[in-house]
Amino acid sequence: EAGVAQSPRYKIIEKRQSVAFWCNPISGHATLYWYQQILGQGPKLLIQFQNNGVVDDSQLPKDRFSAERLKGVDSTLKIQPAKLEDSAVYLCASPFAGINTGELFFGEGSRLTVL
Amino acid sequence: AQSVSQHNHHVILSEAASLELGCNYSYGGTVNLFWYVQYPGQHLQLLLKYFSGDPLVKGIKGFEAEFIKSKFSFNLRKPSVQWSDTAEYFCAVRYNNNDMRFGAGTRLTVKP
Repeated sequence: EAGVAQSPRYKIIEKRQSVAFWCNPISGHATLYWYQQILGQGPKLLIQFQNNGVVDDSQLPKDRFSAERLKGVDSTLKIQPAKLEDSAVYLCASPFAGINTGELFFGEGSRLTVL
Repeated sequence: AQSVSQHNHHVILSEAASLELGCNYSYGGTVNLFWYVQYPGQHLQLLLKYFSGDPLVKGIKGFEAEFIKSKFSFNLRKPSVQWSDTAEYFCAVRYNNNDMRFGAGTRLTVKP
């Protein structure tokens, strides 16, 4: 329905290991968001892209998190090295294609467990 | 920093009870307001939205929300809840720079 594809759906790693998540947003839309949703909390914005440029990454822990959207389409979020507190669901979201009203379509999310 | 506050962490109601979930946001000029719902095991879905015009907006499944600009609030209401409304509800605000902020969420449990 939403058209935002994410993978993998689940990932279990040990602390200090690295992990990468992939997102392919709704076709044709320039804006893409990555959110972190820790259990029991609301989604927290990590980074916002407009095409392949970063609009806002003020809440991205840049010492361990990185994200890119090289061709302005799909995006990768990486964590290296992971910490226990990074256990969360990582959500990718895209506005409705062609209309940037703030209404977001979310992917299923990638659930990360750090042991 | 822009922020969104939801007053209730967990609400437990019996079926047919009325619901009101509070949401306040920090000032940031013109905003767009949303309520999203997350049913158990599912992804976030849009419940309703406010962009402009009538401050009382109606969404799916009998939900409505009222925007009170002077109070920076956007409370969600439903006159009579059903067991199937059991879910987590998130208030979200889009600020001028396309920054979308979410509240911490309110878990609603409806007892049959």
